[in-house]
Amino acid sequence: GAGVSQSPRYKVTKRGQDVALRCDPISGHVSLYWYRQALGQGPEFLTYFNYEAQQDKSGLPNDRFSAERPEGSISTLTIQRTEQRDSAMYRCASSKRGGGAIGETQYFGPGTRLLVL
Amino acid sequence: DAKTTQPPSMDCAEGRAANLPCNHSTISGNEYVYWYRQIHSQGPQYIIHGLKNNETNEMASLIITEDRKSSTLILPHATLRDTAVYYCIVRASTDSWGKLQFGAGTQVVVTP
Repeated sequence: GAGVSQSPRYKVTKRGQDVALRCDPISGHVSLYWYRQALGQGPEFLTYFNYEAQQDKSGLPNDRFSAERPEGSISTLTIQRTEQRDSAMYRCASSKRGGGAIGETQYFGPGTRLLVL
Repeated sequence: DAKTTQPPSMDCAEGRAANLPCNHSTISGNEYVYWYRQIHSQGPQYIIHGLKNNETNEMASLIITEDRKSSTLILPHATLRDTAVYYCIVRASTDSWGKLQFGAGTQVVVTP
């Protein structure tokens, strides 16, 4: 079966532009996470969805960042008015059950490399 | 604040066991220890998790000290494909949402 997919894989944009990053989780997975990863560092949590409900957005850096998962499947992370400091790898992960279940495995996608010029 | 401490890097010879240490001296009674790894630029991959008993699966073994303040991930027969960054993460069972808090991890290089 297909794993988590993300698109685009690479995105180069100019400062001030809006970008939308897409995540297609494993079919049937309840939970969806967004992480951001800077070079040489571990992933940093951004936000979490349980079905279509955004349960935790505590990791979103500021109000330029938003995410949605309207039908409980595909999710979009949107960054408005991009800045150079937004450049990073953005990773999506999904898990079969609710994220709080002990032992629940998160399956990560290949990520979207964002470069803001 | 980091909940875990890992060495930044370590080398291991192919075919030998790789023992990856992790300190989590402030771990609470309801916190589990998870290990993930990240090969090159791929997404992190789950390896194993445990609470207080030693655990083993097809990928690795996890040894947790009796006081639970540290643990060791053991790759019994390291291969070149095990070269990766290994992350030790603690996560509370009461964490409703399951977000993972990654640190810097340990860069493991397996050499021929």
